[in-house]
Amino acid sequence: KAGVTQTPRYLIKTRGQQVTLSCSPISGHRSVSWYQQTPGQGLQFLFEYFSETQRNKGNFPGRFSGRQFSNSRSEMNVSTLELGDSALYLCASSLDGPNTEAFFGQGTRLTVV
Amino acid sequence: AQSVTQLGSHVSVSEGALVLLRCNYSSSVPPYLFWYVQYPNQGLQLLLKYTSAATLVKGINGFEAEFKKSETSFHLTKPSAHMSDAAEYFCAVSDRVQGAQKLVFGQGTRLTINP
Repeated sequence: KAGVTQTPRYLIKTRGQQVTLSCSPISGHRSVSWYQQTPGQGLQFLFEYFSETQRNKGNFPGRFSGRQFSNSRSEMNVSTLELGDSALYLCASSLDGPNTEAFFGQGTRLTVV
Repeated sequence: AQSVTQLGSHVSVSEGALVLLRCNYSSSVPPYLFWYVQYPNQGLQLLLKYTSAATLVKGINGFEAEFKKSETSFHLTKPSAHMSDAAEYFCAVSDRVQGAQKLVFGQGTRLTINP
C-alpha cells in the first residue's frame, strides 16, 4: 500500500513569491491535514480537509490556503512568502474519526530567501 | 482546548538503559493520545495510541506507554535503548473539533543514545 506522497521534497523561493505544495493521501483516506514544523514553534496545525471541504483551520494568516480534489489529493498554497514561512510542511491522511491514526508524508522543506 | 506538555526537550541515555519520555495532557474530555517518532529529514511515524481500551499500550520497536488519568500523564518507555532509537519523539492529543482530524503536539523530545 503506497504511503502519503508529498511533492516536491525541497523548494527554495524568494520572499514575495507564492508556492503550491501537493499531497497525495493513502488510497481510501478522505481526510487530509497539513502541519507546519519549525524549530521555534514546533508542529502547528494548518487545516484539515474532508471530502473537498475544509473542516477546520489553524491560527495562520489568510496567505495560507488549501484545497482538496475529488480524488482526495490536496494542495496548499502560500502567497506573498515571508522569511518566517521557511519550514517543513507535513501532510497527513487518515480515515475519519478523532482516534484514527494519521499517516504522515515525508514533508516538503520550504526555504524562503 | 486540549494540549500536551513534554517535559525535557533533550534526553540522553546509554545504550541498553531505560528510556523514559514524559508527556502530560490537558483535556476536558477523555483524550485520544498518540506518540509519534521523527527521524532526521523524515515525516512522523506512529509509535502507539491510547483510545481507552487499555491503560498500558504497547507500540512498535519495543515502546510502550501507560495512561494515568489521576496524573494526566502518558509517559513513553522502553526497557533497553538501542542506537537506532535516536530520534525526536512527539506526544499528541486529538483535538475533537466538529469531527475534524486535528492533532495538537507537544514540543518534542530529542532522544540521544550514548554508546
